[in-house]
Amino acid sequence: DAKTTQPNSMESNEEEPVHLPCNHSTISGTDYIHWYRQLPSQGPEYVIHGLTSNVNNRMASLAIAEDRKSSTLILHRATLRDAAVYYCILRDWGNTPLVFGKGTRLSVIA
Amino acid sequence: EAQVTQNPRYLITVTGKKLTVTCSQNMNHEYMSWYRQDPGLGLRQIYYSMNVEVTDKGDVPEGYKVSRKEKRNFPLILESPSPNQTSLYFCATSPILGGANVLTFGAGSRLTVL
Repeated sequence: DAKTTQPNSMESNEEEPVHLPCNHSTISGTDYIHWYRQLPSQGPEYVIHGLTSNVNNRMASLAIAEDRKSSTLILHRATLRDAAVYYCILRDWGNTPLVFGKGTRLSVIA
Repeated sequence: EAQVTQNPRYLITVTGKKLTVTCSQNMNHEYMSWYRQDPGLGLRQIYYSMNVEVTDKGDVPEGYKVSRKEKRNFPLILESPSPNQTSLYFCATSPILGGANVLTFGAGSRLTVL
């Protein structure tokens, strides 16, 4: 079973910030939080990941709660190209395969 | 350019006709895996490999075989395809299986079994 919980869908207006939440209440101390997204008719692509501290890259920011039981992917200015399914996944250092949940389908309105 | 290449991208076949979907990567990654994606079910892992000659079952391995004879290739074999294997298949790789390592996915192979 997926170890993360995300809303099924969200909607945003173009050029506004989007906050995509993810709950992972059973996260272990060695689990990294990864976000991937899947654009229509494409394979999933990496967005961002982090362990404890907030992270920024050219695509997005990742805000991790102090207790690590939740995180938020932040797209600072949504564009139409950001319409996709966003997956929040936990990765550990062991041999456990990745488990993808159903993700959040983000719609961006022009 | 770093990439994961899957072939074929599209295939229509008939029940029982053996087929192989190839996956090749040029990043010297140790970890490779196969997923299938079906409407309403999301991505489910079929098999994975942590290195050459090491393969393990994922969540839905029935009806599939894999092999990892060399690091760059990880073919998915359907010995006797059935209609319930109609799906979109993705190969994914990462340097090793570990928390900080990022997965790179192929573009997908859409398989239809009649």
